[in-house]
Amino acid sequence: EIVLTQSPATLSLSPGERATLSCRASQSVSSYLAWYQQKPGQAPRLLIYDASNRATGIPARFSGSGSGTDFTLTISSLEPEDFAVYYCQQRSNWPEFTFGPGTKVDIK
Amino acid sequence: EVQLVESGGGLVKPGGSLRLSCAASGFTFSSYSMNWVRQAPGKGLEWVSSISSSSSYIYYADSVKGRFTISRDNAKNSLYLQMNSLRAEDTAVYYCAREDSGSYCMDVWGQGTTVTVSS
Repeated sequence: EIVLTQSPATLSLSPGERATLSCRASQSVSSYLAWYQQKPGQAPRLLIYDASNRATGIPARFSGSGSGTDFTLTISSLEPEDFAVYYCQQRSNWPEFTFGPGTKVDIK
Repeated sequence: EVQLVESGGGLVKPGGSLRLSCAASGFTFSSYSMNWVRQAPGKGLEWVSSISSSSSYIYYADSVKGRFTISRDNAKNSLYLQMNSLRAEDTAVYYCAREDSGSYCMDVWGQGTTVTVSS
């Protein structure tokens, strides 16, 4: 079983600051890693797939990087609407999808 | 507009049953694998089940295996989740989600339906 660990659990930042979120896998998932954003009371929204590809309609301030076991989601300059919980997800241990525990980005 | 709309949630007693539905529109439903994902109150996301486009391949999380059954009706553009022998720990918001072909992720999500298991 592949376990995803996300850090930090909470990130307190101000609008305009850069956010760097980490996701680490217990074994290699190649580049098969996705990132989702979830706001309170809403469904998750796909941001990044295959580690570094932005999903349709996702602003360029969101970027993903990494491969193997270490991945990063970067928000270059936080907008007010970016304060949310972010989850990473993998499916290397087919057929299960596994999600990380999430990182909450809140307003400092 | 690509859309998924879940229904069928509610309050059920432990040991009871419930059937969730997910209506798809705005895309060729029969071409996509579909999933159910749940989120317990205040918790993270948990994958529940997957079904391939033609229902040939079906998978379940260990936590629901033997109790839940996923199915689909491509003629009705609908996905279903039959939940039996429900437990308190099944209490969650249940989302249906479209699987992106080839990228091992879920690119379209419904708004969710709430299932509460309580006596």
